Amino acid sequence: KNQVEQSPQSLIILEGKNCTLQCNYTVSPFSNLRWYKQDTGRGPVSLTIMTFSENTKSNGRYTATLDADTKQSSLHITASQLSDSASYICVVADRGSTLGRLYFGRGTQLTVWP
Amino acid sequence: EADIYQTPRYLVIGTGKKITLECSQTMGHDKMYWYQQDPGMELHLIHYSYGVNSTEKGDLSSESTVSRIRTEHFPLTLESARPSHTSQYLCASSILAGTGERETQYFGPGTRLLVL
Repeated sequence: KNQVEQSPQSLIILEGKNCTLQCNYTVSPFSNLRWYKQDTGRGPVSLTIMTFSENTKSNGRYTATLDADTKQSSLHITASQLSDSASYICVVADRGSTLGRLYFGRGTQLTVWP
Repeated sequence: EADIYQTPRYLVIGTGKKITLECSQTMGHDKMYWYQQDPGMELHLIHYSYGVNSTEKGDLSSESTVSRIRTEHFPLTLESARPSHTSQYLCASSILAGTGERETQYFGPGTRLLVL
C-alpha cells in the first residue's frame, strides 16, 4: 500500500533554533518528492521538488534531502523564524499514471516561539 | 504568489442546501484539482481535470460534481449539503507538460465549509 508517514506529528522550537522534519514513504514506482508549507487557513505552497537522482535541494533556509534507497526524506530548517510556524507536508508522486498521482502525508505542525 | 482564487473563503449553510464553490486561476494552467482536507489529516483528491470538458473523479468518493467549461474556471457543486460535507476544500492547478516530474501544483487559499 502506498503511504507517506511524517514525524513528528508536532514540534515546538524556539526562534533561531534549527529543526529537522522526517518523511518516510512506500510509494512505488517513485517519481518525485515534494515538501509543502501550509500556513493556517491557507493553501499549501511548494518549497522543494526532488526527483530520483537528486539527494538534496535548498530553498533559502529550507534544505530537503532524499534517500531513494531507504525511501526517506528530511526537511531541515535553519535559524527558525516566527513565520516558519506552519504545517509542513511531504508529498510523493508515483510514476504509474499520466496524472502522476500524489500521496500526501498528514504534515508536521511546527510552532516557533519567541 | 500563485494567481488562483477561491470563493467563498468561509461558508456556513444548512442541511439540504445546494452550494457551489468557485475556483479560478489566471495562469492558463491545463490541469485543475479539488482536494478535501480535514484538520490534522492529509489532503484527499476528489476531482481533477486535464482541460476544458475533461473531468474525472479522484480517490476519495464524493457526492460533489465539477465542470470545466473554461480553462480558468473549475467550480465544485454539492446538490444537497450534509453535515458530513463539513471540511476544507482546496483547489489547485498545474501545467500539463512533459513527464510531470517537476510539475508544481499551485493551491488556492481554500474554502472552509460548515454544514449545520
